[in-house]
Amino acid sequence: GAVVSQHPSRVICKSGTSVKIECRSLDFQATTMFWYRQFPKQSLMLMATSNEGSKATYEQGVEKDKFLINHASLTLSTLTVTSAHPEDSSFYICSAPANRLISGYTFGSGTRLTVV
Amino acid sequence: DAKTTQPNSMESNEEEPVHLPCNHSTISGTDYIHWYRQLPSQGPEYVIHGLTSNVNNRMASLAIAEDRKSSTLILHRATLRDAAVYYCILEGSQGNLIFGKGTKLSVKP
Repeated sequence: GAVVSQHPSRVICKSGTSVKIECRSLDFQATTMFWYRQFPKQSLMLMATSNEGSKATYEQGVEKDKFLINHASLTLSTLTVTSAHPEDSSFYICSAPANRLISGYTFGSGTRLTVV
Repeated sequence: DAKTTQPNSMESNEEEPVHLPCNHSTISGTDYIHWYRQLPSQGPEYVIHGLTSNVNNRMASLAIAEDRKSSTLILHRATLRDAAVYYCILEGSQGNLIFGKGTKLSVKP
């Protein structure tokens, strides 16, 4: 089935630095990628929607200058957390509609970000 | 986006059927009903989805009420590996999935 490869799976960074998370669609073209954030014991919260070749659409309350999304190709979307702070520590997950009518949306395995 | 309501938690015994309910009274005519499950520290996994008719696949069955205001995910024989948080989600016109709180399913051996 369709696979979204997400890297890194875990990252620890110092406060004030930036971290880039990559999501690659391995066997399909992802014209759209959804980015979620999940805090401990909570549900997934949609942060933004990226579309290949255009600007991302951010959900209300999500700072676009802090969470930079790039979707430059049909197989790669990246999320960069800029000037990270401890409150940005979370589980970040990407998702794309691969064979939407047959098998719904495919999710990456997630990135555990810890900012110290 | 239309919202869904699920019980916070449910328990099941291994090898018994499990019926996970979901209410979505504000569903619109074009909203697909999706079910995903998530294990700790993993991304969600697709389970099943449907629009109006009941659906079956190798993982589960989805029973959709005639008025589409509720649905039930059926695991025919629960195993320990089915213990997870199950999310019932409506896919709206923009194609994004808005997650609710889900149901945490525990399976007892």
